[in-house]
Amino acid sequence: DAGVTQTPRHEVAEKGQTIILKCEPVSGHNDLFWYRQTKIQGLELLSYFRSKSLMEDGGAFKDRFKAEMLNSSFSTLKIQPTEPKDSAVYLCASSLGGRWDTQYFGPGTRLLVL
Amino acid sequence: GDQVEQSPSALSLHEGTGSALRCNFTTTMRAVQWFRKNSRGSLINLFYLASGTKENGRLKSAFDSKERYSTLHIRDAQLEDSGTYFCAAEAGGYKVVFGSGTRLLVSP
Repeated sequence: DAGVTQTPRHEVAEKGQTIILKCEPVSGHNDLFWYRQTKIQGLELLSYFRSKSLMEDGGAFKDRFKAEMLNSSFSTLKIQPTEPKDSAVYLCASSLGGRWDTQYFGPGTRLLVL
Repeated sequence: GDQVEQSPSALSLHEGTGSALRCNFTTTMRAVQWFRKNSRGSLINLFYLASGTKENGRLKSAFDSKERYSTLHIRDAQLEDSGTYFCAAEAGGYKVVFGSGTRLLVSP
């Protein structure tokens, strides 16, 4: 079975650009999460979808970050405009049984904003 | 499989007192994160540890991957500390396992 896939694996952007990250959850999973990961903070939740509906939208990230779930098997995270402080690993995860069920993560997109 | 046992499931404290929450892991975990879910349902990061201890104000957390546990200590509890606390452990293989949560109620 395919796990969570994310593209691209690496992204380099200049300050002010728009970038779009993509995620395909595990087939059949109803819950999809976008996180930002840093060594200091660990995982920070950006967005949480349940059955394509946005359930949580991380307050600190609302202004320049927008996640969408166009169908049950595809989601995007748009960062617009990018800033150097956005440099981090962006992880997508999915789960079958709700917010606190085991989450399966993709390999992540490493973003560097110059 | 990889599991997390979180205890207690519910905890009542009077203001000014303290206690500890605990997560036991069935396997070796790479790191642990503690969250608090507030009344609006938002997740607040408290700590992220790959080892050792961290302290922030009235909260202190410890993680021992070898002994397979993590703790979250709360001292001098305040009313605004009420909420549900979760631990989440990185099990490796891109998997994160959550504890079942501890509902904390701090009363005057």
